[in-house]
Amino acid sequence: QVQLVQSGAEVKKPGASVKVSCKTSGSTVGGLYIHWVRQAPGQGLEWMGRINRNSGGTNYGQKFQGRIIMTVTTDTSISTVYMELTRPTTDDTATYYCASSIGDPGFWGQGTQVTVSS
Amino acid sequence: QSVLTQPPSASGTPGQRVTISCSGSSSNMRSNTVNWYQQFPGTAPKLLIYSNNQRPSGVPDRFSGSKSGTSASLAISGLQSEDEADYYCVAWDDSLTAYVFGTGTKVTVL
Repeated sequence: QVQLVQSGAEVKKPGASVKVSCKTSGSTVGGLYIHWVRQAPGQGLEWMGRINRNSGGTNYGQKFQGRIIMTVTTDTSISTVYMELTRPTTDDTATYYCASSIGDPGFWGQGTQVTVSS
Repeated sequence: QSVLTQPPSASGTPGQRVTISCSGSSSNMRSNTVNWYQQFPGTAPKLLIYSNNQRPSGVPDRFSGSKSGTSASLAISGLQSEDEADYYCVAWDDSLTAYVFGTGTKVTVL
């Protein structure tokens, strides 16, 4: 059974980087990538980017280019993917999700609430 | 910003058929398949339809999807109270090299 378990809620001041983790276990159902999607309060879904769990190759959404870093570490059958957002502003307050697939059946993490506030 | 356009709301009475549209462009809809997600407040989105019209295991056949040109539709037949949720379309965009989500549609069961 594939599981995606995310790290806990974060509260950050504007400008202080935030790093969210997504621990994956089980089979690679849903493909090689881990995607990050966020949702601001009362707003829609926004795709941020993806990372290849094997190669570490990344694709980032244009809006996040230059201030998002996705990395992956692997220990036996468990991969942990990290999403770091640098120079956050209050507009980055949102729930952040990792997902094993967007266009095929897959699994989603439980979401991590990130609050950016002075 | 979203590049796929959906109506902000849709509604129907139990048993009715409700259709949600999703309008895109040649760089996303025409070139690639469309997927649909259902989301309840405070929970992660759930894949409802993938590859334009395929249902993952466990999704009732009341839900169906279609695509034509640069537009797609999600239909809910025999609307039920538990279908009250937000619905999003999503597709890969070749120009942006990114997935793009629709603006979202809130379905209300009257």
